[in-house]
Amino acid sequence: TQLLEQSPQFLSIQEGENLTVYCNSSSVFSSLQWYRQEPGEGPVLLVTVVTGGEVKKLKRLTFQFGDARKDSSLHITAAQPGDTGLYLCADYGQNFVFGPGTRLSVLP
Amino acid sequence: NAGVTQTPKFQVLKTGQSMTLQCAQDMNHEYMSWYRQDPGMGLRLIHYSVGAGITDQGEVPNGYNVSRSTTEDFPLRLLSAAPSQTSVYFCASLGGGSGTGELFFGEGSRLTVL
Repeated sequence: TQLLEQSPQFLSIQEGENLTVYCNSSSVFSSLQWYRQEPGEGPVLLVTVVTGGEVKKLKRLTFQFGDARKDSSLHITAAQPGDTGLYLCADYGQNFVFGPGTRLSVLP
Repeated sequence: NAGVTQTPKFQVLKTGQSMTLQCAQDMNHEYMSWYRQDPGMGLRLIHYSVGAGITDQGEVPNGYNVSRSTTEDFPLRLLSAAPSQTSVYFCASLGGGSGTGELFFGEGSRLTVL
């Protein structure tokens, strides 16, 4: 059974700071996705990465997929309060397997 | 543009009671699924369906039943509620092409079992 780990579990930072959160898998990802979940809402897809070494940028968010396709990072530049939420990584194979998430709080 | 709609948003049950969480989507997605979300454990798959008349178990199916009579609806039934089923439940449908699909989630149903 695939196991996804995310770190850190919690992160509280000031507006304007940079941060990186990580996702590691016990086995090779089929297709890695990152979701963001705001309080009281369902998760929303941020990005899908498939190829080892792939880097994708979404405004101030940079997603990197490890060469061996077993780990990924999400870097946020100049965080804003609107970035607050739970960041989940997921493996999309036959079904979806989700990590436990990193809960980010960006203070104004 | 409703997307995935879940009802109710909140429910309190007593141990042993039964109930149904409703889920409907208007995007004509074939794949639908139910997850539960517990603190520190992420989203865990309960049941899923790849089309009308077809359902299958996920990681944590015990105590839950599903059916899929139409493409739009995928209700989740709790047969005899237990305190361990206190959780937030999310319904999701899958859009996009194979391997790069996107899960569209409802807003969640918060269930408390006393």
